[in-house]
Amino acid sequence: ETGVTQTPRHLVMGMTNKKSLKCEQHLGHNAMYWYKQSAKKPLELMFVYSLEERVENNSVPSRFSPECPNSSHLFLHLHTLQPEDSALYLCASSQDSGVHYRYEQYFGPGTRLTVT
Amino acid sequence: EDQVTQSPEALRLQEGESSSLNCSYTVSGLRGLFWYRQDPGKGPEFLFTLYSAGEEKEKERLKATLTKKESFLHITAPKPEDSATYLCAVQPRRRDDKIIFGKGTRLHILP
Repeated sequence: ETGVTQTPRHLVMGMTNKKSLKCEQHLGHNAMYWYKQSAKKPLELMFVYSLEERVENNSVPSRFSPECPNSSHLFLHLHTLQPEDSALYLCASSQDSGVHYRYEQYFGPGTRLTVT
Repeated sequence: EDQVTQSPEALRLQEGESSSLNCSYTVSGLRGLFWYRQDPGKGPEFLFTLYSAGEEKEKERLKATLTKKESFLHITAPKPEDSATYLCAVQPRRRDDKIIFGKGTRLHILP
């Protein structure tokens, strides 16, 4: 495997389900990100793990819960989602310095999530 | 409020017809500006990073430039395979590390 991989590529879940998205980066980077991409809207940064420190966007609902067990793996745990959460969820990684200076990000192919 | 605006929203060109995409930004100081290309059903692919006004970068038919308020992505003699959505993103100088993306420009090159 090379680059950034994401599984599953497609996910359909009911509003009462619990599921997890998985991301793995094979680039030796030290920062990982979750983004949400909806039609007609810009990419929205959800969560960042950088140098083992989690930086959270306070506007993300608690039904989204990230987990980063090490610098290569990132999960997004989903529970009791709403239909408006249907979107493409993208994972990315980058090699960052220790002073919040972000370098270019490398994205995975995304998980297309549909909440019914 | 920090903001990134891309124009036009969509652009159709004939093959070989050069043009430019615009990314204007209003941020409290700039750490870096990024250009990405996104094909349908795929994640964005990194193209360029620009850090300071006057900087330019080139890759094949693409050239990115930066001023204090905007960036341009110039496409010279485009081919149909250049069709994609081009995204601009900005990292402002602030503590919360939030990178701000524009909505993108959908580019379609007609053969």
